[in-house]
Amino acid sequence: DTGVSQDPRHKITKRGQNVTFRCDPISEHNRLYWYRQTLGQGPEFLTYFQNEAQLEKSRLLSDRFSAERPKGSFSTLEIQRTEQGDSAMYLCASSSARGNEQFFGPGTRLTVL
Amino acid sequence: AQKITQTQPGMFVQEKEAVTLDCTYDTSDQSYGLFWYKQPSSGEMIFLIYQGSYDEQNATEGRYSLNFQKARKSANLVISASQLGDSAMYFCAMRELDNNNDMRFGAGTRLTVKP
Repeated sequence: DTGVSQDPRHKITKRGQNVTFRCDPISEHNRLYWYRQTLGQGPEFLTYFQNEAQLEKSRLLSDRFSAERPKGSFSTLEIQRTEQGDSAMYLCASSSARGNEQFFGPGTRLTVL
Repeated sequence: AQKITQTQPGMFVQEKEAVTLDCTYDTSDQSYGLFWYKQPSSGEMIFLIYQGSYDEQNATEGRYSLNFQKARKSANLVISASQLGDSAMYFCAMRELDNNNDMRFGAGTRLTVKP
């Protein structure tokens, strides 16, 4: 399967712990996006990479959140000192330079206890 | 600011019938793209169809078509010949193509196909 993959699929953590999620985009896609989706809502944009450069960050991305894409391939999203409000589905998507549509991964569901 | 409105929290349709899911949007940009995604209970967002603001014809992809009315700023999704597997959440989204890379989503419509 050459689609977008995310790991882990589920993560349960205690409040105050740090968590890191990984996203592997479709191999020829140079654009990568992170979204957060809470129950009953549509996804909300968090950040965008073109190759290894992080070009856009939403105001939703507080100082506790950091994302990287060091070699322009896979990306990681880290949340430090997790809070119960961070509980959500974290979705990764990728697109090619010419394409408008974004292809999503299966998501990582985070539960903060 | 971009805004996407889906006014139907839930919709029911009989199997093999057609259904229209509503979406209106708000933007001051002239160049934008409109998208529909399907999200089954498994959680993955599945791309269905795309319409560019300058496209003169309505987009179609198999059983999916997009009823694009630019003056009304609406981009309704029409699903023909509904199947049980179409039961899912459906999200309308928009991206302003010139300046933004973030895609804004509506709150979604839950479609249930009845046998």
